[in-house]
Amino acid sequence: DAGITQSPRHKVTETGTPVTLRCHQTENHRYMYWYRQDPGHGLRLIHYSYGVKDTDKGEVSDGYSVSRSKTEDFLLTLESATSSQTSVYFCAISDAVTGSYYEQYFGPGTRLTVT
Amino acid sequence: KNQVEQSPQSLIILEGKNCTLQCNYTVSPFSNLRWYKQDTGRGPVSLTIMTFSENTKSNGRYTATLDADTKQSSLHITASQLSDSASYICVVLSGGSYIPTFGRGTSLIVHP
Repeated sequence: DAGITQSPRHKVTETGTPVTLRCHQTENHRYMYWYRQDPGHGLRLIHYSYGVKDTDKGEVSDGYSVSRSKTEDFLLTLESATSSQTSVYFCAISDAVTGSYYEQYFGPGTRLTVT
Repeated sequence: KNQVEQSPQSLIILEGKNCTLQCNYTVSPFSNLRWYKQDTGRGPVSLTIMTFSENTKSNGRYTATLDADTKQSSLHITASQLSDSASYICVVLSGGSYIPTFGRGTSLIVHP
């Protein structure tokens, strides 16, 4: 998984509780992304980062916040978890800006269940 | 709006048979197209990447084709194996962007 770890790998939490997912990379890649994957929707971008302290919203950012204080760590926070946020969350990293060498490497995923 | 459409949504084939998965995109301007394989419970892994000037790219039993004029790509799997059972995702990157557009994937099941 290209030097990407996600923690926790599985989590069950109750509606209304805060949850933080962590993505850690050892590749020193500049760009980091958080996606969620749900049946019938494929991978959808939540937030992304293009450098330390530089982040931006993706297409499904409502209810999520992120932080990146170090190159290697990208945190995804659900301030008050809802059942609609039950999903599998993937972190991805990339280095090249664009062009034929652009590739995203994905972490192993975190399965989050909100009851 | 950039979009990537994949077909079929799911496919069941017998071991040893060939199959072809389709990807149509409206991403513009085009930079590159990747096919990813995602095994159950794991993150996607890149199979092939194709740029504008490439028509065909092979990776073992996987062969991807690209027609940039019609904005279509296909992934052909030869002599399928049980380990080919997975979801195959088509991903297109627009020129000047580092935010790719994902298709919803084709779920392939290979039966013995």
